[in-house]
Amino acid sequence: AQSVTQLGSHVSVSEGALVLLRCNYSSSVPPYLFWYVQYPNQGLQLLLKYTSAATLVKGINGFEAEFKKSETSFHLTKPSAHMSDAAEYFCAVRRSGNEKLTFGTGTRLTIIP
Amino acid sequence: DAGVIQSPRHEVTEMGQEVTLRCKPISGHNSLFWYRQTMMRGLELLIYFNNNVPIDDSGMPEDRFSAKMPNASFSTLKIQPSEPRDSAVYFCASSPGPQETQYFGPGTRLLVL
Repeated sequence: AQSVTQLGSHVSVSEGALVLLRCNYSSSVPPYLFWYVQYPNQGLQLLLKYTSAATLVKGINGFEAEFKKSETSFHLTKPSAHMSDAAEYFCAVRRSGNEKLTFGTGTRLTIIP
Repeated sequence: DAGVIQSPRHEVTEMGQEVTLRCKPISGHNSLFWYRQTMMRGLELLIYFNNNVPIDDSGMPEDRFSAKMPNASFSTLKIQPSEPRDSAVYFCASSPGPQETQYFGPGTRLLVL
């Protein structure tokens, strides 16, 4: 069965520092991968998705993620953190031909002024 | 363009009462998904519909839960009778097609006393 593992349930970075949120997937076939962000008391919003085109995917709000098959990873990065990035981030996987998204447990990002 | 609409946003009820959560998907979207989010279990897919037809309800916890989609613009998730362990945030999401990006509503926060 496909799944994703998010390393670190809480990550804190200083404002202006690099943001790195980790996601590893397990799938027997190349999957579709997603990052969603959830701000307090809101629903999930799609940041970016990998659909087997380019391995480096650029999303909204300056975020990007790189698909590395050799490492089965899809880590989310942003060069310079902003206070408004404080939120919970979810990695998700969907197998080709399947409608169901499987979410990771989430990483809460805190930005230190 | 209006996003996914959910009502109510908050619901407090007593154990044993019937609870009905409502969702209006984005116009033109053919797929609808119900999720539950808890601290212990994270985000879980409960059921999803394609063209108003339930496709997979394997995530529905037990017979106390039921979901309907009588038309393309409305879906309900009902819990009868409710129990304290049903307390969670329930999200509805819709997508243009079954394997396309899912757009989430703001969620209904349910507390069963």
